[in-house]
Amino acid sequence: RKEVEQDPGPFNVPEGATVAFNCTYSNSASQSFFWYRQDCRKEPKLLMSVYSSGNEDGRFTAQLNRASQYISLLIRDSKLSDSATYLCVVNFNKFYFGSGTKLNVKP
Amino acid sequence: EAGVAQSPRYKIIEKRQSVAFWCNPISGHATLYWYQQILGQGPKLLIQFQNNGVVDDSQLPKDRFSAERLKGVDSTLKIQPAKLEDSAVYLCASSLGGSLADTQYFGPGTRLTVL
Repeated sequence: RKEVEQDPGPFNVPEGATVAFNCTYSNSASQSFFWYRQDCRKEPKLLMSVYSSGNEDGRFTAQLNRASQYISLLIRDSKLSDSATYLCVVNFNKFYFGSGTKLNVKP
Repeated sequence: EAGVAQSPRYKIIEKRQSVAFWCNPISGHATLYWYQQILGQGPKLLIQFQNNGVVDDSQLPKDRFSAERLKGVDSTLKIQPAKLEDSAVYLCASSLGGSLADTQYFGPGTRLTVL
């Protein structure tokens, strides 16, 4: 079983839509959690860290469910510029990246 | 603030040849990472340095890959000899300290094609 698993998508949504991604992780001792964004042929960039209490940054909300070992990312009011691959990252002694979920926001 | 620098940006080699990649992290960042990202997959950690010491190299194929970080700043990653399955983007990242919560900043990567 992979350490971090994500639905590869693609998720094709219209502008203004709300979209949610989930990510599951295998090690219950995982200590820190992140969402990174990667544009086509570019390097990953941190979108947000994920905290147990949940956290929000503008249109983006991240949640952590330790009991079920998953994290989620909710994007509200999608913009064309949100089109990218979203990578789930989990740390237990080292960083493990998921394979990413591709989002296409259409006009 | 200057970001993570990597060179070269692209490299094409024949299998069994050798290749080296260079990374200059953000000034003052103690931790440096090398990742391999194969097309369609997420980055896989190859090696992590804290200053000039190795923290983790458990996923580095040591029979052909080597890395060093002299003086705790720049780093080089070498592949010798290369195989077809080494075709990937090699990403260097750095973070301020070694905390699990530290943000990693990635360089633009080196795209390696092995023919």
